[in-house]
Amino acid sequence: EVQLVESGGGLVQPGGSLRLSCAASGFTFSNYAMNWVRQAPGKGLEWVSYIGRSGGSIYYADSVKGRFTISRDNAKKSLYMLMNSLTAEDTAVYYCARDFPPEDEPTTPVIFDYWGQGTLVTVSS
Amino acid sequence: DIQMTQSPSSLSASVGDRVTITCQASQDISNHLNWYQQKPGKAPKFLIYDASNLEMGVPLRFSGSGSGTDFTLTISSLQPEDIATYYCQQYDHLPITFGQGTRLDIK
Repeated sequence: EVQLVESGGGLVQPGGSLRLSCAASGFTFSNYAMNWVRQAPGKGLEWVSYIGRSGGSIYYADSVKGRFTISRDNAKKSLYMLMNSLTAEDTAVYYCARDFPPEDEPTTPVIFDYWGQGTLVTVSS
Repeated sequence: DIQMTQSPSSLSASVGDRVTITCQASQDISNHLNWYQQKPGKAPKFLIYDASNLEMGVPLRFSGSGSGTDFTLTISSLQPEDIATYYCQQYDHLPITFGQGTRLDIK
């Protein structure tokens, strides 16, 4: 069974940093690209970032470019997001989502076929 | 960026009704359109890919159609467990964009 479990969310002050993690199980992690998608309270879904299965293809939404860094460790079956210079507009539930189908890089996001349960990031003083 | 506009934003229907949600892209995206269902307090669930292909395990009362700029998600006979917010998503161009969502509840 495919499982994605996010962690690392919490309360952070404006201008602060946070590192999110997503632990994957139930599939060959190194075969799949991964994404981060966020959802502000009461709002819709916003794609944040993508990383190809080898880490060679990386993309960001303009709203986080230059502040967020996506990475992965295939040996640890984990996805990460380092978030710097956080603002109130970054307050959201952050989901990691597997990308489908599995393909050789270079690749771009296609389908988000499995999602974690999300981790809440609150930026507030 | 490609804008995805869903209508209606919210919808009330009765059990057994046929329900239709539309999604319009701001430019031609071929069939590069997916649909997701999100129940309250839960993560989104993938339903339909490439506009009309049902993900394995999704009930057959769900169907999708369309190409170019206009797309439709249809539930042929609404069930109580279908209460959720539905999102379309395009992957034709980066950045990936979602519709604003259609909230569906039971009348």
